[in-house]
Amino acid sequence: QSALTQPASVSGSPGQSITISCTGTSSDVGGYNYVSWYQQHPGKAPRLMIYDVSIRPSGVPDRFSGSKSGGTASLTISGLQPEDEADYYCSSYISSGTKVFGGGTKLTVL
Amino acid sequence: EVQLVQSGAEVKKPGESLRISCKNSGYSFTNYWISWVRQMPGKGLEWMGRIDPSDSYTTYSPSFQGHVTISADKSTSTAYLQWSSLKASDTAMYYCARQRGGYDSDYWGQGTLVTVSS
Repeated sequence: QSALTQPASVSGSPGQSITISCTGTSSDVGGYNYVSWYQQHPGKAPRLMIYDVSIRPSGVPDRFSGSKSGGTASLTISGLQPEDEADYYCSSYISSGTKVFGGGTKLTVL
Repeated sequence: EVQLVQSGAEVKKPGESLRISCKNSGYSFTNYWISWVRQMPGKGLEWMGRIDPSDSYTTYSPSFQGHVTISADKSTSTAYLQWSSLKASDTAMYYCARQRGGYDSDYWGQGTLVTVSS
């Protein structure tokens, strides 16, 4: 199974909005509403930011939102903050009963 | 408070065996799956597989099937990841995570760094 496709890097200024895409196939992103997003700061464990495409866990700022259209999921961060600078990974359930991550996107807050 | 506490860093030689652990507390261990995730140096996350602690049923990513074994001990609420013969390419950080039915992982361990070098 191949990793989901994410842009290697995105950037934005404080206060701006950015969107990170996550492209898969009908066997993963396009076939199920089981897409989740994780934030990882250097040297830290990943943190769940979005699950089931668009649901935010308790404690995650509402600046973070998720959506999906066909085989592409998206994570949008509005009102960028300096602490949002991190790596972001999408993941999806796969029809084989397993899970796959995207390659990761490095977010730089200028 | 839900906690996943992993065993400490390991330095091993190629060909050696290894088992790392992930002790769970603060919730009913048998109500959630545990997954393992690899992160090689400077690289992204890779899902390795998961176990249902209630019956020890496991599912592996094809990339890791046959190379590692995932197990769990209900009596100690601990999950394990083991290798029978390590390779230098197994050098990585390994995370355990509580996995829910939608395949998202809401709690993570702190990671165990495994270094394999002759």
